Amino acid sequence: QQPVQSPQAVILREGEDAVINCSSSKALYSVHWYRQKHGEAPVFLMILLKGGEQKGHEKISASFNEKKQQSSLYLTASQLSYSGTYFCGTAPQEGGGADGLTFGKGTHLIIQP
Amino acid sequence: NAGVMQNPRHLVRRRGQEARLRCSPMKGHSHVYWYRQLPEEGLKFMVYLQKENIIDESGMPKERFSAEFPKEGPSILRIQQVVRGDSAAYFCASSPQASSYEQYFGPGTRLTVT
Repeated sequence: QQPVQSPQAVILREGEDAVINCSSSKALYSVHWYRQKHGEAPVFLMILLKGGEQKGHEKISASFNEKKQQSSLYLTASQLSYSGTYFCGTAPQEGGGADGLTFGKGTHLIIQP
Repeated sequence: NAGVMQNPRHLVRRRGQEARLRCSPMKGHSHVYWYRQLPEEGLKFMVYLQKENIIDESGMPKERFSAEFPKEGPSILRIQQVVRGDSAAYFCASSPQASSYEQYFGPGTRLTVT
């Protein structure tokens, strides 16, 4: 089942912070975060694994609450280059991580100067 | 180290023709995933392959669509007798192992069916 992302869209001024949430109805093995600019491929940002291991981007952080089946992506001191659509992709626990990802509908982030 | 390669980048087909989309994973990656993206929507998983094996094709329509990842050469997603509804961006992603590893996406093939 598709994870639910919130908010759907957010507009920020450069330097402000943003939080994007991803919530699943299924127990998760991992949560993956991607950013996609219009007409381009999704770019990997962060992966959070069951058990707390986290791998990703130096300027972006994220959390994964396994009990609540939720993840949040934190963008601090946003830059113009952060604009794009952010997707979370989830892998269900039952597959042990060996599955294709199920993506949310995305969060559109616009950073204004 | 070259990233994930896909070709062609743009493909136009008339209704009823066949479309062949190719994906070469990153060096050292043996796991390939295909996703479809409609305009203004998220990515939808289609199929997951390892060399010479289809691991999960639960997201791929049963008719007209097939995928392979031969021992030598790229992974191929084949769509027979295309219809207008097949128009979309098709992305492939690769990872070094299935579990706990990030998937890196190729630039995509934009298929337009006229």
